[in-house]
Amino acid sequence: GAGVSQSPSNKVTEKGKDVELRCDPISGHTALYWYRQSLGQGLEFLIYFQGNSAPDKSGLPSDRFSAERTGGSVSTLTIQRTQQEDSAVYLCASSLVPDSYQPQHFGDGTRLSIL
Amino acid sequence: AQTVTQSQPEMSVQEAETVTLSCTYDTSESDYYLFWYKQPPSRQMILVIRQEAYKQQNATENRFSVNFQKAAKSFSLKISDSQLGDAAMYFCAYRSPTYNFNKFYFGSGTKLNVKP
Repeated sequence: GAGVSQSPSNKVTEKGKDVELRCDPISGHTALYWYRQSLGQGLEFLIYFQGNSAPDKSGLPSDRFSAERTGGSVSTLTIQRTQQEDSAVYLCASSLVPDSYQPQHFGDGTRLSIL
Repeated sequence: AQTVTQSQPEMSVQEAETVTLSCTYDTSESDYYLFWYKQPPSRQMILVIRQEAYKQQNATENRFSVNFQKAAKSFSLKISDSQLGDAAMYFCAYRSPTYNFNKFYFGSGTKLNVKP
């Protein structure tokens, strides 16, 4: 497709379970971002991938969160031993770089609900 | 790190009227990029308008325009002839071309209600 694709759209799981969220960026976009958006809140930066460089993990809230990007394309955000406070919408975005004027293109997000 | 502040958590406007959403930011850089994004209930963030800091002319996109005041570090969004479809969360974002290259900083958002 032409846009950023995220799956699943919605995920409901029990506390303590692991979850994997997937993001397929726009073809050719070298930068990929993950954000978390709690109900009614702004975007909280989680992690940023740029090409083959080491990712910027400065936004990950705990060591239960990890992400990888294989082959410079698809990315997976993994949350281990989920907690109720992990409930949020997880947004993925990609950007065409190195032109800094390029905006981010967002997916529709994954709504994660922890029971 | 750069910070972006949106001081209006929620605003309302009558259909066909004009509304201005405020955004201020903190930076020591002279060159940077500013963006306004719209997030309707469908969740997908959509780019509304963008501005390069070295350009003095305010960006416009149809009914959307910005008032960019570089010295004041202000970047407000004006929506003219408001329509029901404009109802959404609006986020202001800052992007640095050098510091934390390509990292975006978002404000906390303003919820815009449009009354028929």
